[in-house]
Parts: sequence; C-alpha cells; structure tokens
Amino acid sequence: DAMVIQNPRYQVTQFGKPVTLSCSQTLNHNVMYWYQQKSSQAPKLLFHYYDKDFNNEADTPDNFQSRRPNTSFCFLDIRSPGLGDAAMYLCATSRAQGLDAFFGQGTRLTVV
Amino acid sequence: EDKVVQSPLSLVVHEGDTVTLNCSYEVTNFRSLLWYKQEKKAPTFLFMLTSSGIEKKSGRLSSILDKKELFSILNITATQTGDSAVYLCAVEHSNTGNQFYFGTGTSLTVIP
Repeated sequence: DAMVIQNPRYQVTQFGKPVTLSCSQTLNHNVMYWYQQKSSQAPKLLFHYYDKDFNNEADTPDNFQSRRPNTSFCFLDIRSPGLGDAAMYLCATSRAQGLDAFFGQGTRLTVV
Repeated sequence: EDKVVQSPLSLVVHEGDTVTLNCSYEVTNFRSLLWYKQEKKAPTFLFMLTSSGIEKKSGRLSSILDKKELFSILNITATQTGDSAVYLCAVEHSNTGNQFYFGTGTSLTVIP
C-alpha cells in the first residue's frame, strides 16, 4: 500500500501560470519534505515542515511556497513557474528529522 | 505500472558487518539506476549504473546492475556507525523526458 502519495504524477503548466502539487501520507509522520530534482542531479531540498513549523532552505526561490493544513497533507505552490522550474518534485516524510524518510513517487512538472 | 522496490525496508547490523541492499525495478525505457545515501535532509549521490555486470566501487561501497534480471545491489563492507542512513534507489527512464522513479529506501542502522 502506498504510504506517501503524490498527485498528480505528471503536470503540465504554462509559463507563469500558478500550479499546486500535492502530497499525502498515511504514516502519521511529523516531518514532511519537498525536494526538487532535475535530470541526473541529486534531489535538492526546498523546505520541510516539522509538524506545523515551516523551514525554508536559504536558497529556495520565493516563487516556491508550501502549505501543510494537517498532518497528512502538504502542498507545493509555484506562483509563477518558469522554464527552469521544470523538474521532478519529490515529497518525503519521516517520524523525525533525519530518520527513516519515505519518498513518494514524485510529480514530473513540465512548463510550456 | 512502473515501479522500484527496495528491500529490506530496514536493517540493523553491528559495526564490521557486511550488508547488501537490494533494488529491483520494472521500468520501461530504462536509462540508468542511481543509489543515494540520505542523512539528515538531502540525499547524497553514490553511484550511477547504466551497464550490466560492471561493478562500481567507492571505498567500502560497491554496486552492480543486472539489466536482465532487473535489479541492483549495493554492498557495504566493514560497516561503520557513520554508514547509518537511508539508502535510496532511483531509476531514470526516458519515456517522456528525463524522469526518475524512487524506491522507498532502506534504513540502515549500524550499532557500535
């Protein structure tokens, strides 16, 4: 059974048109992460939540926002996608920071 | 449906032991298989495998790919406590652009 579910698997959006990616988990984990991964590169952490505490990485562009309305769900909002934002976006969860992270299957974002 | 399965999900060993982590996949238009080590937050890249039967080695870590049987193994010899981490397997395919499927990871704990 899937434990970290990302929707949609594939998303095509227009340049500058806001887009939201979603992640849900059935593990009741405290921590949820969003990563961006571009071709042949390691995933890059954008931000994470510890419960409701939001932690932004220093080099995450302002164009990227996140919401976590409850333990199970977390959203990644890209306010004005550029061509350079085309990537795989990965969601992961863990009980506590640095432990036993479980990844979703990712959402592949294409910007046209 | 394309998938990447890692086993075991978690593993506890003593320092000095040798461990083998498994990654099997069913992915159309396979391009490469990658191993990552995740500590704390962002995964760090270990190996990229594209050809069957050619072992890649880095210190105490080694990995090999079998494209006929559709799996890869990651070996760690003489484990140390610093090897404790989640090890992620990802398969890159070329169905529509460059995309990755991640496994859920193997959590390795090395006890002194």
